[in-house]
Amino acid sequence: DIQMTQSPSSLSASVGDRVTITCRASQSIRRNLNWYQQEPGKAPKLLIYAASRLQSGVPSRFSGSGSGTDFTLTISSLRPDDIATYYCQKSDSTLSSTFGPGTKVEIK
Amino acid sequence: EVLLLESGGGLVQPGGSLRLSCAASGFTFSSYAMHWVRQAPGKGLEHVAGISTTGGSTYYVDSVKGRFSISRDNSKNTVFLQMGSLRPEDVAVYYCARGVVRYDDSDNFWISSMDVWGQGTTVTVSS
Repeated sequence: DIQMTQSPSSLSASVGDRVTITCRASQSIRRNLNWYQQEPGKAPKLLIYAASRLQSGVPSRFSGSGSGTDFTLTISSLRPDDIATYYCQKSDSTLSSTFGPGTKVEIK
Repeated sequence: EVLLLESGGGLVQPGGSLRLSCAASGFTFSSYAMHWVRQAPGKGLEHVAGISTTGGSTYYVDSVKGRFSISRDNSKNTVFLQMGSLRPEDVAVYYCARGVVRYDDSDNFWISSMDVWGQGTTVTVSS
């Protein structure tokens, strides 16, 4: 089975900072990678699909990159409402997938 | 407005059963795969089950195979999760999510993601 890891597990940054979260697959998954944001007490929200495609309605300060085994989610300028846990998800097929363990983002 | 509304959560004894429902509105339900994702208290997300547009194909994570069953009624715009032989480790918020499949022509592949989520329903397993 392909394992997904994320780093860091948590981070603290200041408003306006550039924030980068990494997701790594144990084997190549090409660009079959999505990113979700889960604000405290809320349902997850799709941010990025196919590693780098911005979901409709998502602010442009969010971006994704990578392919194969290494992927990044970048927030270009952190805002207070970006406080959340961010999950990567590898898409195995139309029906199956695996989430990464998550990265919690806090404001310093 | 596109909406998913889960119901059916509650308290059940170990070994018991529960049936979750997710009512969809605002989109052509029969055109989308549907999924159940759970989140144990203080833990991450786990994709539990998925079902194709017609119901002909399903997916289950290993930990629920043989105990959970996903189904759908396209005439009622509803997806279900029948949960049996419930264990304490099944305690979680269960989310219903819509599956969207898109073609990425830069690399010539299909990518599936979950673009609409319900608010979740809580399942507690305790004696």
